[in-house]
Amino acid sequence: NAGVTQTPKFRVLKTGQSMTLLCAQDMNHEYMYWYRQDPGMGLRLIHYSVGEGTTAKGEVPDGYNVSRLKKQNFLLGLESAAPSQTSVYFCASRLGGHEQYFGPGTRLTVT
Amino acid sequence: AQSVTQPDIHITVSEGASLELRCNYSYGATPYLFWYVQSPGQGLQLLLKYFSGDTLVQGIKGFEAEFKRSQSSFNLRKPSVHWSDAAEYFCAVARSGNTGKLIFGQGTTLQVKP
Repeated sequence: NAGVTQTPKFRVLKTGQSMTLLCAQDMNHEYMYWYRQDPGMGLRLIHYSVGEGTTAKGEVPDGYNVSRLKKQNFLLGLESAAPSQTSVYFCASRLGGHEQYFGPGTRLTVT
Repeated sequence: AQSVTQPDIHITVSEGASLELRCNYSYGATPYLFWYVQSPGQGLQLLLKYFSGDTLVQGIKGFEAEFKRSQSSFNLRKPSVHWSDAAEYFCAVARSGNTGKLIFGQGTTLQVKP
């Protein structure tokens, strides 16, 4: 099993550009999450999904959209990137217990 | 509101010395508590978790943590630190309900001196 994978690993965007981050898991997990990690702030939840076809807002959803068309994939979109979205983005998944499994992260820089 | 506080942003210990990382939480019910470790440039790896039962939980890599309800704490300990333990450590609490959303502390960076 590959576990949780994220694509791409690194990306540099200009302000106003759009992009999609892909998270994939091969563990048949129901729940998936997108977090952002900023220095001194830990991880903050952006959006999450409790199952295929469902999404919900987390703590810091503004400027992001998500989709969960397939159970194994959870996409995070930035429609118009801003420098404040420079961060490291982590995806996580879980089955039914509370333990979450994390991907390796995507480092995004917006100039 | 639920919250997690890690009072120490940065800790330096000598290799072979003991370690304790502090974590305090604010939560109305019995919490689900976690410690994760993040090595530089890596994702988060679960060290240990507490759901119920014995308040002293054992984890991977020789770590343990003790849940103290009276102090709202879940401190992480290791008797003898190795240089490879240098990393960032996060305490987290799972929110109530079945969504499983985690609230993370700010993190503690551990530096190990030779």
